[in-house]
Amino acid sequence: DQQVKQNSPSLSVQEGRISILNCDYTNSMFDYFLWYKKYPAEGPTFLISISSIKDKNEDGRFTVFLNKSAKHLSLHIVPSQPGDSAVYFCAAIETSGSRLTFGEGTQLTVNP
Amino acid sequence: DSGVTQTPKHLITATGQRVTLRCSPRSGDLSVYWYQQSLDQGLQFLIQYYNGEERAKGNILERFSAQQFPDLHSELNLSSLELGDSALYFCASSVGGRGQDLYGYTFGSGTRLTVV
Repeated sequence: DQQVKQNSPSLSVQEGRISILNCDYTNSMFDYFLWYKKYPAEGPTFLISISSIKDKNEDGRFTVFLNKSAKHLSLHIVPSQPGDSAVYFCAAIETSGSRLTFGEGTQLTVNP
Repeated sequence: DSGVTQTPKHLITATGQRVTLRCSPRSGDLSVYWYQQSLDQGLQFLIQYYNGEERAKGNILERFSAQQFPDLHSELNLSSLELGDSALYFCASSVGGRGQDLYGYTFGSGTRLTVV
């Protein structure tokens, strides 16, 4: 049962344009969501998070949007840079829980 | 350097063997989490320890076991290895017992296990 899904295995964008990565979830008990970035041969690193009481959180070039009614969140990167090329994982956690549930990841490639 | 140390980085072993993966959490973190990432898949939660005690369990096989020692380092033991156990194994740590610590988990760089 895949509770967090990232339906796009890959995304390719031009440098300077916007990258939009999407994530859907099915578990209504999830109330905190995170995005991680992963480079080859490294572990995932935290990027940005959002609580279910918000619908938007911004940090520099990165913005996460949450649509609770649709059980959907997205990560926007503006402007995209070649150094953003990595695998991006969406993750979610329940209020009472301790484990992060991850999506399958999306490989973002930003072309110069 | 994330502060979470995993050893070894690479491990090649034969089917039927037993291996031990080691993780040292970031200084001050009490929780250790183990995740498995198979080819082209997301990270699958295996098990969590908090201050020496098992806190949560995921889809961890009976052939796998883990423990957290008094110095808070953790070991993941994989036995009777099968080809399908080949994967990246990540350890992560957090300050408290819940992943909602400010920045979620801090991950190590992983151990790549290849079973031949």
